[in-house]
Amino acid sequence: GAGVSQTPSNKVTEKGKYVELRCDPISGHTALYWYRQSLGQGPEFLIYFQGTGAADDSGLPNDRFFAVRPEGSVSTLKIQRTERGDSAVYLCASSPQSPRGGADYGYTFGSGTRLTVV
Amino acid sequence: AQSVTQLGSHVSVSEGALVLLRCNYSSSVPPYLFWYVQYPNQGLQLLLKYTSAATLVKGINGFEAEFKKSETSFHLTKPSAHMSDAAEYFCAVSDLAHNDMRFGAGTRLTVKP
Repeated sequence: GAGVSQTPSNKVTEKGKYVELRCDPISGHTALYWYRQSLGQGPEFLIYFQGTGAADDSGLPNDRFFAVRPEGSVSTLKIQRTERGDSAVYLCASSPQSPRGGADYGYTFGSGTRLTVV
Repeated sequence: AQSVTQLGSHVSVSEGALVLLRCNYSSSVPPYLFWYVQYPNQGLQLLLKYTSAATLVKGINGFEAEFKKSETSFHLTKPSAHMSDAAEYFCAVSDLAHNDMRFGAGTRLTVKP
């Protein structure tokens, strides 16, 4: 596609429920990143995929968070047993493959999914 | 680990005045540095990037930034502020050792008429 697409744009869920957030990167971009942005904060790194594999998941806050990218394109961020503290905007970004990946090109970000846990 | 610090969470300037947003980085290897802008209720948009070529980098909307290794800085400037520049600005760092990007906390720019 022309840009990074994230769905849904807004999600309200009850505490304890399970949610899935979807990211459709730019066609041909092999690197995909998830970030979380809380109100008044900068984006916080969660996980990075190169192709189908998670190259770095050190930013996932705990085992309630999990992400997949089974075919190397669309990715899904999954949050189990949601808590009110999970409320934030979840951002996805992608970049082309290159020896320096995101460092060469910077990232293209989607508009984010605003998650509200009530 | 790489990181950036943005000095000043809020900056206010008058229309037509110089804009200066400060960013200092920490990286154990040569860094790649970026500035992103975020308008209200919108995604992040790349303003400019430094990737070890020219130290003075020009970006969109009249912004530029200078990489100063001796000061570990990458401050963003614009000679004359416009009302439409009001937004949140984020500095970010990446490097060859880490393909992911780490962001600062952001600086909110307000432009007064």
